[in-house]
Amino acid sequence: DIQMTQSPSSLSASVGDRVTITCRASQSISGFLNWYRQKPGKAPESLIYAASSLESGVPSRFSGSGSGTDFTLTISNLQPEDFATYFCQQSYSMPLTFGGGTKVEIK
Amino acid sequence: QITLKESGPTLVKPTQTLTLTCTFSGFSLTSNGVGVGWIRQPPGKALEWLALIYWNDDKLYSPSLNSRLTITKDTSKNQVVLTMTNMDPVDTATYYCAHRRGYCTNANCYSNWFDHWGQGTLITVSS
Repeated sequence: DIQMTQSPSSLSASVGDRVTITCRASQSISGFLNWYRQKPGKAPESLIYAASSLESGVPSRFSGSGSGTDFTLTISNLQPEDFATYFCQQSYSMPLTFGGGTKVEIK
Repeated sequence: QITLKESGPTLVKPTQTLTLTCTFSGFSLTSNGVGVGWIRQPPGKALEWLALIYWNDDKLYSPSLNSRLTITKDTSKNQVVLTMTNMDPVDTATYYCAHRRGYCTNANCYSNWFDHWGQGTLITVSS
């Protein structure tokens, strides 16, 4: 199985900040990397697929980059609704695997 | 508008079989490339993919749970059913069903992710 490692596991930030979350795969996954946001008590929402493609309706303050084993999710101008937990997921091979999550908290 | 909703028992005893139903709307599980997956999340923990069924009835399972899982579809009812046998307290989690997105060729489908999710249902395993 491909292991997905996210860092940091948590971070504190303020509204308006720029935040970067990293996801590393245990082997190359090309660009088959997806990002989700999960607000407290809610289901995950898809943000970005194929490393850098924004899902329809997702604000442009979210962006993704990377290929191979190293990927980043960047949130510019952090908004109150962005205080949540973020997960990456590889879709290169089965079984599908997720990272451990990064919790973005209010500073 | 795509919607999905999970239903099933909230409490299951150890060794029992769990049956969960995902009822969806806004898409058809007879259309090329369409799929529905199940993902679970123990309280306070990460997401774990369980199973995926495609429009052509191809099925994929997590290897670690393969012997305990069965996924089926009823296209006339717009439902996908997941059964998990021999439930244990470590299976306590919120179970989600989700609409699959990705790519398909004539040979196979690849790059699966989930663009619409149900609200989830918390399943507690306890005697």
